[in-house]
Amino acid sequence: DAKTTQPNSMESNEEEPVHLPCNHSTISGTDYIHWYRQLPSQGPEYVIHGLTSNVNNRMASLAIAEDRKSSTLILHRATLRDAAVYYCILILCGNQFYFGTGTSLTVIP
Amino acid sequence: SQTIHQWPATLVQPVGSPLSLECTVEGTSNPNLYWYRQAAGRGLQLLFYSVGIGQISSEVPQNLSASRPQDRQFILSSKKLLLSDSGFYLCAWSVGTSSGNTIYFGEGSWLTVV
Repeated sequence: DAKTTQPNSMESNEEEPVHLPCNHSTISGTDYIHWYRQLPSQGPEYVIHGLTSNVNNRMASLAIAEDRKSSTLILHRATLRDAAVYYCILILCGNQFYFGTGTSLTVIP
Repeated sequence: SQTIHQWPATLVQPVGSPLSLECTVEGTSNPNLYWYRQAAGRGLQLLFYSVGIGQISSEVPQNLSASRPQDRQFILSSKKLLLSDSGFYLCAWSVGTSSGNTIYFGEGSWLTVV
């Protein structure tokens, strides 16, 4: 399974933007980049995904580097409800999902 | 719409006792099904996944097993639990093999082995 590297933890002030980085230097041309987040005592939930172009949805934005070896999840205005563990994963075959340890985001009021 | 149910939500089991966690998906056909485990303060570990009835792939050798007796039913079992089996168990589903697919998780089951 393709590997991703994320910081263990990050902090953000409430109502400020948050940029969560992910490195995936061994990504192949057909790997999709997916982001999920896990709130305490819940299963992960889908946030966003992309292949080459930047993506926006109601939850977040995904910025993908031109060489695709890194990506950044952008939360435009962090709220206390955004405190969670964020996982960046690569999907080659759509029936294999491998999660790492993710980035634990703390939002400071 | 699709839903996933997982039970029991919590259980406390003695070492050496058996385990059965059940998961069902509604509103879809031929889903891919998964069992994950998350130990306290750790990441998600993929235990088993299934692409069809009777087809089980094991990711980590251990004393757990999985079965898929029906299209939308996935069961995680153990004959004898170990202390190290404690954790948060999550069932999940996806459809197809497109890399753009997403995965959806159940509510999870908290297992404490004492």
